[in-house]
Amino acid sequence: NAGVTQTPKFQVLKTGQSMTLQCAQDMNHEYMSWYRQDPGMGLRLIHYSVGAGITDQGEVPNGYNVSRSTTEDFPLRLLSAAPSQTSVYFCASSYRQGITEAFFGQGTRLTVV
Amino acid sequence: TQLLEQSPQFLSIQEGENLTVYCNSSSVFSSLQWYRQEPGEGPVLLVTVVTGGEVKKLKRLTFQFGDARKDSSLHITAAQTGDTGLYLCAITDKLIFGTGTRLQVFP
Repeated sequence: NAGVTQTPKFQVLKTGQSMTLQCAQDMNHEYMSWYRQDPGMGLRLIHYSVGAGITDQGEVPNGYNVSRSTTEDFPLRLLSAAPSQTSVYFCASSYRQGITEAFFGQGTRLTVV
Repeated sequence: TQLLEQSPQFLSIQEGENLTVYCNSSSVFSSLQWYRQEPGEGPVLLVTVVTGGEVKKLKRLTFQFGDARKDSSLHITAAQTGDTGLYLCAITDKLIFGTGTRLQVFP
């Protein structure tokens, strides 16, 4: 049981480049979400999904797109990378939205130069 | 504006000391979770509190949910170096996290 898998673990982008951060879970969880964590800070919610085909914006959605075509996968797309998007990105999943336990991936450390 | 404010932001103590960290909001929420995050890892759930006034214990950690359901606290008794990490509270509706308390416990 792999849990939540994020790829890549590290990435360096040039300003203006686009890329997709991958997130997959094998627990048949309905709820998935993306966060960014800046140095010394808590996690800020970017986008979330309550099930396949349904996504919504979180606290800091600008510059990011998501889609949820399957229950297992929830990719995060950076449309045109900016230095302000340098951060560590975490994907999380839980059985459903609400008081169930959230499981997190190992994170993707992204640097935009 | 941060929905959940945690205090203190940083805490550095020696093994054996007691400490309390706080999670406060101006809004009422139905339930709240506490997570701990170690360097290079994602957060891991410690506890979920759902009832105003609820107290839950997890070994040396005591969690309390305020009567008005607008605040919560985490008390650690006799801290150990293994307690070092970032402590995060989160409202469960959309799993929105607080600002975090970074705890460093020295031997």
